[in-house]
Amino acid sequence: SQTIHQWPATLVQPVGSPLSLECTVEGTSNPNLYWYRQAAGRGLQLLFYSVGIGQISSEVPQNLSASRPQDRQFILSSKKLLLSDSGFYLCAWSPFRSGGYEQYFGPGTRLTVT
Amino acid sequence: AQKITQTQPGMFVQEKEAVTLDCTYDTSDPSYGLFWYKQPSSGEMIFLIYQGSYDQQNATEGRYSLNFQKARKSANLVISASQLGDSAMYFCAMRELQNYGGSQGNLIFGKGTKLSVKP
Repeated sequence: SQTIHQWPATLVQPVGSPLSLECTVEGTSNPNLYWYRQAAGRGLQLLFYSVGIGQISSEVPQNLSASRPQDRQFILSSKKLLLSDSGFYLCAWSPFRSGGYEQYFGPGTRLTVT
Repeated sequence: AQKITQTQPGMFVQEKEAVTLDCTYDTSDPSYGLFWYKQPSSGEMIFLIYQGSYDQQNATEGRYSLNFQKARKSANLVISASQLGDSAMYFCAMRELQNYGGSQGNLIFGKGTKLSVKP
């Protein structure tokens, strides 16, 4: 069966510090991968998606970046965090096929920028 | 314009009763998928149910059913026999399958409904 991991689970970082959040998927090949952010009490906002190694698309302009160094690894980064980067970050995967198939989410990382 | 609208910020239901969570959507894409996710306080998003725009029958998954009214662009979630563990945020989402807009059909989420089940 497929599983998706995220770490760390929680993170407190000062403004201006770098960020690296990692997401890995097991039990599937060539998945579509997604990074979402959820601000407190709100829905999810898609940040990045990837359909393959090295292929990253950004949905919203921001000081965050994403990379996919391996097929089942997706990394969210920042060189300098802003207060507005605080939130709950969720990684998700979906099978690499067309159609209205669901996305499966990881447990999330709660980031607090102080 | 909002693509997914959930008009109920919060809902209460008595244990063992049924509850309907509302969701309306807006799309010009003839081919789309509708999803419901549950988010407990732990934060994880749990997939509940899926309805395709061309599906003839309403989707059902255990105690969950989706009341799909295509003409009204409505995709309400019905939870039967509510349990205390059903207390959570519930999100409706849509995936447009033809007009990707470069997003590979990413999910568009509503703002969610917080369901509280009373013992």
